[in-house]
Amino acid sequence: QVQLQESGPGLVKPSQTLSLTCTVSGGSISSGGYYWTWIRQHPGKGLEWIGYIYYSGSTYFRPSLKSRVAMSVDTSKNQFSLKLSSVSAADTAVYYCAREGTAMTTPGAFDIWGQGTLVTVSS
Amino acid sequence: EIVLTQSPGTLSLSPGERATLSCRASQSVSSSYLAWYQQKPGQAPRLLIYGASSRATGIPDRFSGSGSGTDFTLTISRLEPEDFAVYYCQQYGGSPPTFGGGTKVEIK
Repeated sequence: QVQLQESGPGLVKPSQTLSLTCTVSGGSISSGGYYWTWIRQHPGKGLEWIGYIYYSGSTYFRPSLKSRVAMSVDTSKNQFSLKLSSVSAADTAVYYCAREGTAMTTPGAFDIWGQGTLVTVSS
Repeated sequence: EIVLTQSPGTLSLSPGERATLSCRASQSVSSSYLAWYQQKPGQAPRLLIYGASSRATGIPDRFSGSGSGTDFTLTISRLEPEDFAVYYCQQYGGSPPTFGGGTKVEIK
C-alpha cells in the first residue's frame, strides 16, 4: 500500500529556509489524480493545511503563507518537497505530508499521512 | 476561510459508553467535503469519516458521521480502549481546507 515518509533537517535557524521532502512508496506519485499535501501541527495545537502540489507541478497554497511557500515535485524520484522561507519560532511544528483523495475515493479528505517530522526554529 | 468549532473540548467517558462529538462551521459546508480524523499521541491523524458519513477503509462500524450545512456529528457507539484519543473535523468545501480545534476523548 502507499506510504509517505518525510525527511529533512529537524533544526532551522530563524530567517532561513525550511526544506522538507516527502518520499512516496508503494505507488506512483503521477498516477491516480491525487493532490500531494503538506500539513503542520504546532506543539500541542491543532492542524494547519499549508498547500498541495499535483504531479504536473500545479500548486495551491494557504493564503497566509503563500508569500513564503514553494513546493516542487520530482516524479522520477517519486518525491515532493516543501520550502518555507524566512522562518521564525512561529513555524516550529510537526510537518506532515499527506495524500488528498480524489473525487472517486475520498474527495477533499487526507487518506494517507506520513509519520510527521518535528522542525524546530531556533538559533 | 471557514472556521470549524468543535465541542466539547474534552469528553470524559468510560469504555462501552457512547461518545457524541460536535463540529460546527462558520458557514455552510458541502457534505461532500467534511471529514473526521483520530489522532493518538505521537502519531499522525488517521482518516475515519469522509463525505460527512462515509467510513474510510478499515474503520469499524462503531464510528459513524452525520450532519449537513453547518452542523456535523461524529458518534462512537461503544467506546473501546483504543478509541481514547483526540478527534478533529476538517472541511474542504471552502478554500483553504481547515480543521477544527479538536475534541479529546479521555477515560473517565
